Amino acid sequence: NAGVTQTPKFQVLKTGQSMTLQCAQDMNHNSMYWYRQDPGMGLRLIYYSASEGTTDKGEVPNGYNVSRLNKREFSLRLESAAPSQTSVYFCASSGVFGNTIYFGEGSWLTVV
Amino acid sequence: DQQVKQNSPSLSVQEGRISILNCDYTNSMFDYFLWYKKYPAEGPTFLISISSIKDKNEDGRFTVFLNKSAKHLSLHIVPSQPGDSAVYFCAASAEVWDNYGQNFVFGPGTRLSVLP
Repeated sequence: NAGVTQTPKFQVLKTGQSMTLQCAQDMNHNSMYWYRQDPGMGLRLIYYSASEGTTDKGEVPNGYNVSRLNKREFSLRLESAAPSQTSVYFCASSGVFGNTIYFGEGSWLTVV
Repeated sequence: DQQVKQNSPSLSVQEGRISILNCDYTNSMFDYFLWYKKYPAEGPTFLISISSIKDKNEDGRFTVFLNKSAKHLSLHIVPSQPGDSAVYFCAASAEVWDNYGQNFVFGPGTRLSVLP
């Protein structure tokens, strides 16, 4: 049972470099999310996609872009990485209202 | 301003005793609540949930209590085991997007240590 799969697991970037975090879910969920986790801040929503074809900003969208490629895949792009984007990134998905949200294992990103 | 608060960053409990983790929220529109458990280097995993029509939900050693008037919920773990040592996140939800999904707001987490 794969659930939510995200890649890469670890990445070190130099300031100004770009990269894309990939995420795929095999649970036929409509909604997908990208969160970041920072010490003492919990999980903060970056972007979400309520359904295929739609994306919206969350609490901390600045510096990021997303693409909902199809129902399964939702990618997060850092166009010009900054040290403030050093964090752990989690992709997640959920089904209809009342269901739970399922997380991937996380991507550790360091920007130097 | 945080809509979901977990005011205790950490909690230590002796094995076999009860662990009580607390969560407060400010948005009265929240009507579905979840608890997640997170081990280091892993993603959060779902533990237990409760909807606003209930005031208690139980699953084995885990019980969640909801007090809507106080905007407060708590997670009780009885008896606590060393394997329960993890970070626990409280989450709340209110929105429904065209019946397809919802937005989840997470608290900052409480680190539980169960001492043998």
